[in-house]
Amino acid sequence: GQNIDQPTEMTATEGAIVQINCTYQTSGFNGLFWYQQHAGEAPTFLSYNVLDGLEEKGRFSSFLSRSKGYSYLLLKELQMKDSASYLCAALSNTGFQKLVFGTGTRLLVSP
Amino acid sequence: DGGITQSPKYLFRKEGQNVTLSCEQNLNHDAMYWYRQDPGQGLRLIYYSQIVNDFQKGDIAEGYSVSREKKESFPLTVTSAQKNPTAFYLCASSIDSSDQPQHFGDGTRLSIL
Repeated sequence: GQNIDQPTEMTATEGAIVQINCTYQTSGFNGLFWYQQHAGEAPTFLSYNVLDGLEEKGRFSSFLSRSKGYSYLLLKELQMKDSASYLCAALSNTGFQKLVFGTGTRLLVSP
Repeated sequence: DGGITQSPKYLFRKEGQNVTLSCEQNLNHDAMYWYRQDPGQGLRLIYYSQIVNDFQKGDIAEGYSVSREKKESFPLTVTSAQKNPTAFYLCASSIDSSDQPQHFGDGTRLSIL
């Protein structure tokens, strides 16, 4: 089966660090994507992990553990504009490379 | 600038009507996708196309139809057979259907009058 779990909502303060977790059970797993989506807008690509470990891109980092079926997105030095939904999506290769999305984590950054 | 354009941004449909959502990309991508996004649910795949003149059903294709006559265009028709069409519809494209990231359009919000 295909299942992606992530928290529904999180809150944090400007300047802080927040970690958004994602667990997955996906057949034919072939990598993990994170997207950012502001309300009513297009999701924008943040990161892709296919190997275990941490990938760092500026204030955003993403981690993957394939053996544990676990990923997280780490946001540092939070800014107000980081208030958005963060979508975890597993790439599933079952004859076709398909993205299986979680429900998204809505992050609210307060002053 | 290269990108994906969806139109219209808002669309209203009467009961029993078919409506067509437009999706155009100038990224020269081979693969294109249609998703539906509902509150409290993840994006769900409606149809996808790996190459021009070819398309396949996704997880929730019932009540929808697509065409891929040109590489840059992948319109979605929501037919009267779709009983719960109110949703946010997102079109995406990627270089190919491998592990390349998908790039999304700004979406069309469809409502029933």
